[in-house]
Amino acid sequence: EAGVAQSPRYKIIEKRQSVAFWCNPISGHATLYWYQQILGQGPKLLIQFQNNGVVDDSQLPKDRFSAERLKGVDSTLKIQPAKLEDSAVYLCASSYPGTDYEQYFGPGTRLTVT
Amino acid sequence: AQSVTQLGSHVSVSEGALVLLRCNYSSSVPPYLFWYVQYPNQGLQLLLKYTSAATLVKGINGFEAEFKKSETSFHLTKPSAHMSDAAEYFCAVSEGGSYRPTFGRGTSLIVHP
Repeated sequence: EAGVAQSPRYKIIEKRQSVAFWCNPISGHATLYWYQQILGQGPKLLIQFQNNGVVDDSQLPKDRFSAERLKGVDSTLKIQPAKLEDSAVYLCASSYPGTDYEQYFGPGTRLTVT
Repeated sequence: AQSVTQLGSHVSVSEGALVLLRCNYSSSVPPYLFWYVQYPNQGLQLLLKYTSAATLVKGINGFEAEFKKSETSFHLTKPSAHMSDAAEYFCAVSEGGSYRPTFGRGTSLIVHP
């Protein structure tokens, strides 16, 4: 069974530029999560999707961050414009419905904003 | 509001020694508690979880944790450390049945030969 795929693995941009991250969950996993992990901290949940609907985006900075999961499969997280404090690893995870605790994580995208 | 405190950003043990990673939580409702492991350049992997059943929870790779309500603790232990256990460990809390986790800052486990 293929795991959660994320791309790119690394990205370096200048502040005020835009960037997008892609995630493809495990086949059959209806629930998808995006986390932000700043160096030296634990992950912070940004947004949770159930199929193509948003379940929780209370911690997503909506003035610059957006996410979509149009067909209920893969998802894109965008930052526009980026700030220095957005430098972090962005993790995607997925799970079967009703098994939110059994999340499978992708390897993450490491973003550096200069 | 929920929160997690992991005592010690780094823990160093010898191979074969007991591993003890400390986690204290704060929650206004009965919590669900989790331990995750993260190897370099990889995502998190769930080690074990407490969801209001048995207070002593056994996980993968020989790890276990005990929920102690009176101490608001959920410490992670393993009787004998292996070199392959060297990684970052995160404790997380979620209030009740909805999974809205708050993670601790993590503890780096270093295992010496």
